[in-house]
Amino acid sequence: DVKVTQSSRYLVKRTGEKVFLECVQDMDHENMFWYRQDPGLGLRLIYFSYDVKMKEKGDIPEGYSVSREKKERFSLILESASTNQTSMYLCASRDSLYEQYFGPGTRLTVT
Amino acid sequence: DQQVKQNSPSLSVQEGRISILNCDYTNSMFDYFLWYKKYPAEGPTFLISISSIKDKNEDGRFTVFLNKSAKHLSLHIVPSQPGDSAVYFCAARTSGAGSYQLTFGKGTKLSVIP
Repeated sequence: DVKVTQSSRYLVKRTGEKVFLECVQDMDHENMFWYRQDPGLGLRLIYFSYDVKMKEKGDIPEGYSVSREKKERFSLILESASTNQTSMYLCASRDSLYEQYFGPGTRLTVT
Repeated sequence: DQQVKQNSPSLSVQEGRISILNCDYTNSMFDYFLWYKKYPAEGPTFLISISSIKDKNEDGRFTVFLNKSAKHLSLHIVPSQPGDSAVYFCAARTSGAGSYQLTFGKGTKLSVIP
């Protein structure tokens, strides 16, 4: 079974804080993704990585950065959290086929 | 511009009846389509997929139909069960080099009433 884990299920941060969201997959997948899910907006791609140290911007990268130092780990960084970044954050990884496997999500609240 | 559209934000169906969730797309380069199911406070889980070379794919109670000329696909759930109550996302992708992304619709919330 593919397993994608995320470091926190729920997180509360203050405006201006630096926030790290960690994602780990155990299936040696090359591709990893970060999405956010908001009501009425579906899943929107923030960043993805197709290999170690490689990253590409998705549809809504502003205010975010990512790090992929090891194949199994993909981190999403909010340099200075803002209230409009309150959301559900979902990490996914993908094998050589089309299907993406998602982690359980992190519900981030920025106050 | 939204390339994958799920025009019904919600759908209510009686237990035992058929649920039909619809999805339209605009990008004619999409050649692979997936449906994901998401419960609250959980990540989406893959449900079923279909390649553009097919017009139907079936897996148990779930069937996906693809009409390429209409750029339309639908997910049929028969019979619907209360445990099917979730948000369903339609997703699509192109093939070829550099095609890493899935494009998702906004989701349809299905409620199956006992």
